[in-house]
Amino acid sequence: DVKVTQSSRYLVKRTGEKVFLECVQDMDHENMFWYRQDPGLGLRLIYFSYDVKMKEKGDIPEGYSVSREKKERFSLILESASTNQTSMYLCASSSRTGGEETQYFGPGTRLLVL
Amino acid sequence: KQEVTQIPAALSVPEGENLVLNCSFTDSAIYNLQWFRQDPGKGLTSLLLIQSSQREQTSGRLNASLDKSSGRSTLYIAASQPGDSATYLCAVNDYKLSFGAGTTVTVRA
Repeated sequence: DVKVTQSSRYLVKRTGEKVFLECVQDMDHENMFWYRQDPGLGLRLIYFSYDVKMKEKGDIPEGYSVSREKKERFSLILESASTNQTSMYLCASSSRTGGEETQYFGPGTRLLVL
Repeated sequence: KQEVTQIPAALSVPEGENLVLNCSFTDSAIYNLQWFRQDPGKGLTSLLLIQSSQREQTSGRLNASLDKSSGRSTLYIAASQPGDSATYLCAVNDYKLSFGAGTTVTVRA
């Protein structure tokens, strides 16, 4: 059974803190993604990675960075958390096959920045 | 930039009624379109994926159609059940996934 896990289900942080969100997949997928989900806005892509040590900006990368040192792990970093980064963060992975790239999602991390 | 719209934003139906969920997108140059289900506070579960060369996909009570030229997809859920209550998201893949805001469905027993 495919599995994407995220390190925390709920997090509460203070403004200005550095925040790490971890995502691990056990499917040997090449592609990994970080999204944030906000009411009325749907899911928006923050960053994605097609290979180890490779990263590309999504639609809303400002205020975030990522790290992919190992194939199975993709980390999202908030260098200095702000209240407008309070959101649900979802990680996903997919295999690099010809056209059919079903994304598998983790359970999400609900982050509150005070 | 790909824009994905889902209408209606919310839907409430009695058990047994068929559900029709709509998704439209602005750029027809896509690889595929995917429908997801999301339960409150949870991640997304893939329901159906339609390749750009296909017109429809079926899985059990679910059927999704794709009309790429008009930029539309429809998800049909036959004989709805209370367990179908969830938010349904449509996502278009044109190199990366672009999501609609979702339709929240409530099936009343």
